[in-house]
Order: sequence, then structure tokens, then C-alpha cells
Amino acid sequence: KQEVTQIPAALSVPEGENLVLNCSFTDSAIYNLQWFRQDPGKGLTSLLLIQSSQREQTSGRLNASLDKSSGRSTLYIAASQPGDSATYLCAVSLYTGNQFYFGTGTSLTVIP
Amino acid sequence: EAQVTQNPRYLITVTGKKLTVTCSQNMNHEYMSWYRQDPGLGLRQIYYSMNVEVTDKGDVPEGYKVSRKEKRNFPLILESPSPNQTSLYFCASSFFTGPYNEQFFGPGTRLTVL
Repeated sequence: KQEVTQIPAALSVPEGENLVLNCSFTDSAIYNLQWFRQDPGKGLTSLLLIQSSQREQTSGRLNASLDKSSGRSTLYIAASQPGDSATYLCAVSLYTGNQFYFGTGTSLTVIP
Repeated sequence: EAQVTQNPRYLITVTGKKLTVTCSQNMNHEYMSWYRQDPGLGLRQIYYSMNVEVTDKGDVPEGYKVSRKEKRNFPLILESPSPNQTSLYFCASSFFTGPYNEQFFGPGTRLTVL
């Protein structure tokens, strides 16, 4: 069974700092990996999706990388802002592409 | 506006009283899925559907039923709810299956079973 781990569970940084969130998974036979953010009381918002054949994806200040062989992904956030405060979740889908496994998330606080 | 909607958003019920949580998407997505989110456990997949009349179990299907009679709707049914089904439930949908299965989520339904 796929196990997805996100470390740290919580992170607090001053505004403007660059930061890295980590996601690791036990089964490298993934189809894709997706990063989400979750705001309190709200649903999940998709940030980036990396297909298994890709190494990274970028969107604005966000960059996600994937190393399938080592079972790791990182989400890099440049020049953090208070509006980035949220919980960040990663999810992997197995080779069928239909079943998804989520990490427990990293709660990020960006201090003004 | 493209969206996934869930109803109700909040529900308090009692053990054994059948309930249905509705999920609807207006994006013509083939794939739909239900998750529950619990503190310390993250999101876990309950059921998913590849298309109309095609459903399959996720990681934690016990105590739940689903149906997919129309493409846009994917209701979650709890025939006899129990307190351990108290959770935050999310519905999600996506256009493709396979490598580019980017999921879009509904706002969540917070269920309390007394």
C-alpha cells in the first residue's frame, strides 16, 4: 500500500523567505503527483500536477519537482507572502491513475 | 462557473439514520471520487467512478455506497451511519484518467454522527 509522508507538519517563516515543502512516497510506481493547498474551512485547490514522466512543473512563484526513483517531491515557494499561509497537501496516484493517496499536509504560516 | 458542488455543507445526524450527500459537477468530467479527511490521517479515498455506471472501491469503502446514474452526479450514501463516520467529506472530479488526472474539489461536507 502506498504511504505518503509530508515533513514538516508545520512551518512558520517570515515574509519574503524562500521555502521548500517535502513529500515522500513509498511506492515509486506512480502515475502522477499533485500538490494542493487547503485553506481553513474550504476545499482543496490544485496548484501543480507532475506526470510520472516529468521532472518538474512551474507556476508563478511555485516550482514542484519529482524524483520517482527516490520517492520524493518538493514544492518550492519563492518570496513567500502572508497569502501563502495554508495547508499544503501532496497526493500521488498509482499506475492505474484512478486511486489517490494523500499526505497529511504541511501547515504553512508566513509572518508579515 | 466551473465547479464541484456538495450538499449539504454541514450535517448533524444520529446513528443509524440513512443519509445522502450529493455531489455535482458542471465540467462534463468522466472521473469522480469521494474522500474523507480526518485529523492525523489526511484524505483517504472512499469510492471513485470512471464514468456512468462504473464505480470502484477506494481505500476505505466500508459503510458507504455510491451510485453514478448521470455523468454530473455522484452521491455518497451512508445506509446506517455510525459515530466513526464523523468526518469532513470531499467530492472531486477530473476530465481525464491516467497521467493528467488533475482533480478539482468541492467545498466539503462536515458530517457529525451522534
